[in-house]
Amino acid sequence: DGGITQSPKYLFRKEGQNVTLSCEQNLNHDAMYWYRQDPGQGLRLIYYSQIVNDFQKGDIAEGYSVSREKKESFPLTVTSAQKNPTAFYLCASRLDRRYGYTFGSGTRLTVV
Amino acid sequence: ILNVEQSPQSLHVQEGDSTNFTCSFPSSNFYALHWYRWETAKSPEALFVMTLNGDEKKKGRISATLNTKEGYSYLYIKGSQPEDSATYLCAFKTGNMLTFGGGTRLMVKP
Repeated sequence: DGGITQSPKYLFRKEGQNVTLSCEQNLNHDAMYWYRQDPGQGLRLIYYSQIVNDFQKGDIAEGYSVSREKKESFPLTVTSAQKNPTAFYLCASRLDRRYGYTFGSGTRLTVV
Repeated sequence: ILNVEQSPQSLHVQEGDSTNFTCSFPSSNFYALHWYRWETAKSPEALFVMTLNGDEKKKGRISATLNTKEGYSYLYIKGSQPEDSATYLCAFKTGNMLTFGGGTRLMVKP
């Protein structure tokens, strides 16, 4: 079945360490997105990529980095510069503008 | 950062009740309005992508309307069932970015 796989589901890291969240899709979608959810808030866009080797900052990109070397993969690195990294992270992809986004099941990151 | 607001934040209804909630968004630079359903422990699922003023879309007992001139969309659920319990998200698309509202959490009691 086609879909988006995010791993791991839960991730614990010590403060000051960088951590990379995985997002893989086999839907042949061009566009991919990373969102963050905090308690009581809506999803906020971190980064997005419309095509391979290109990506753009979203509303809250500070402290994060991404790469898009392959169409299928859009990993997100949470760096030590991100002041409040503990959150739920969702990856999504989209075929084209006629369709809604397809989401992964998310990664809950806890920094201690 | 664009302001997309949803009301109410949460809603409790009895099985069989019909219900509706609102999404408000900027009335300028409109590209599309998305609705998603997000059940607990699952991924958000796309319900509708609406692009034209006056659009009405329907999927089973769920329907949505769109008014781009005044910047709002309504989502209706007819004859709510316990399996409709979820958070319903709307999202406003301008350019390449999709901005989400905070969601309406619906709980349907059997």
